[in-house]
Amino acid sequence: GEDVEQSLFLSVREGDSSVINCTYTDSSSTYLYWYKQEPGAGLQLLTYIFSNMDMKQDQRLTVLLNKKDKHLSLRIADTQTGDSAIYFCAERGDTGRRALTFGSGTRLQVQP
Amino acid sequence: DGGITQSPKYLFRKEGQNVTLSCEQNLNHDAMYWYRQDPGQGLRLIYYSQIVNDFQKGDIAEGYSVSREKKESFPLTVTSAQKNPTAFYLCASSAQDGGTEAFFGQGTRLTVV
Repeated sequence: GEDVEQSLFLSVREGDSSVINCTYTDSSSTYLYWYKQEPGAGLQLLTYIFSNMDMKQDQRLTVLLNKKDKHLSLRIADTQTGDSAIYFCAERGDTGRRALTFGSGTRLQVQP
Repeated sequence: DGGITQSPKYLFRKEGQNVTLSCEQNLNHDAMYWYRQDPGQGLRLIYYSQIVNDFQKGDIAEGYSVSREKKESFPLTVTSAQKNPTAFYLCASSAQDGGTEAFFGQGTRLTVV
């Protein structure tokens, strides 16, 4: 079945770059997503990338996709204390149920 | 404002009771989803619906039921058969075609007392 894995925790200093990594197993994944969740809240979509792309940049966010290794990363430049949250990687295939399959989330802690 | 609304934000249930969580969207999305989130874990799919009057079981459907009588609404009932219902429940919706994102509600925290 589908599986998405992430490391559980990342701590960085304010102003540094953060890199959150994700691996997935479903080779038919068409879209890959990064969501942010603040305490007690729902998920906020940060960005997504189509599987035929290898990079997408959106302001401070850069997504890199290595389709051969099934590896996705999210880089946050100039990390701020407001970036402290849980970040979820998710994938979606193009057939079947089309629901997102999520990783367990990476808690990002930004130290002032 | 277009969006997806879950209610209530907090819900308490006595053991043996059924409770229903509300999810409404005005995004004109065909597909709607219910996820469960437990501490330190990702989201697990309970049920999903790709069109009105149709829904499918997800990965952890046991002890839950849903209906999809209207496009805008996808209520989730947590039945007494669900042995460990305390969790954070998230509803989402998405357009049916293409790779558009899923939009999430703010969640309902259910606690069994």
